Amino acid sequence: GAVVSQHPSRVICKSGTSVKIECRSLDFQATTMFWYRQFPKKSLMLMATSNEGSKATYEQGVEKDKFLINHASLTLSTLTVTSAHPEDSSFYICSASSPSTYSYNEQFFGPGTRLTVL
Amino acid sequence: QKEVEQDPGPLSVPEGAIVSLNCTYSNSAFQYFMWYRQYSRKGPELLMYTYSSGNKEDGRFTAQVDKSSKYISLFIRDSQPSDSATYLCAMDQTGANNLFFGTGTRLTVIP
Repeated sequence: GAVVSQHPSRVICKSGTSVKIECRSLDFQATTMFWYRQFPKKSLMLMATSNEGSKATYEQGVEKDKFLINHASLTLSTLTVTSAHPEDSSFYICSASSPSTYSYNEQFFGPGTRLTVL
Repeated sequence: QKEVEQDPGPLSVPEGAIVSLNCTYSNSAFQYFMWYRQYSRKGPELLMYTYSSGNKEDGRFTAQVDKSSKYISLFIRDSQPSDSATYLCAMDQTGANNLFFGTGTRLTVIP
């Protein structure tokens, strides 16, 4: 399957700082990238969907000014958590997909980034 | 009511056992049904997907979808310690990738 990487894998920061997480599709061009948040023993929750070159579409309840998403190229999307607070501590996972000749466009997931805000 | 319900477990079975994992859902518009496997500190990887009702088999894995009951299952035959992971079900209405995930069931296969 296709490979998606995330960087960093783990980050610890102080409250009030901003953190940027990168998501890269390594061996395919991803027209669409997704950002999820996963709490312990909870479902993966979709935060936003981004298409290359256009603004991200945020899910209800997700603050777009707090979680800035940039999809600058077909292989890179970034999520910036601005003015992070302890309640933003979570596991953030990105995924990527591209148009497929099959009936279902599979999402390929990155390994995730563990964010801890002190 | 959550869109997708999944028993979080944990579930422990001896090596070689048949494992049954299940999810129920409330949205009758779901058409695509997926099972993902997630190892610790890794992202989910797609195991199988099924469109609409029916069964699908891939090696030791069988996925079943019963849309009339809004119930899906994943069976693992001859389970191996390497199958130890969290298994997440996910569903999609249109195939456009708006996925709704279950909470995941943590499975441990004991050698």
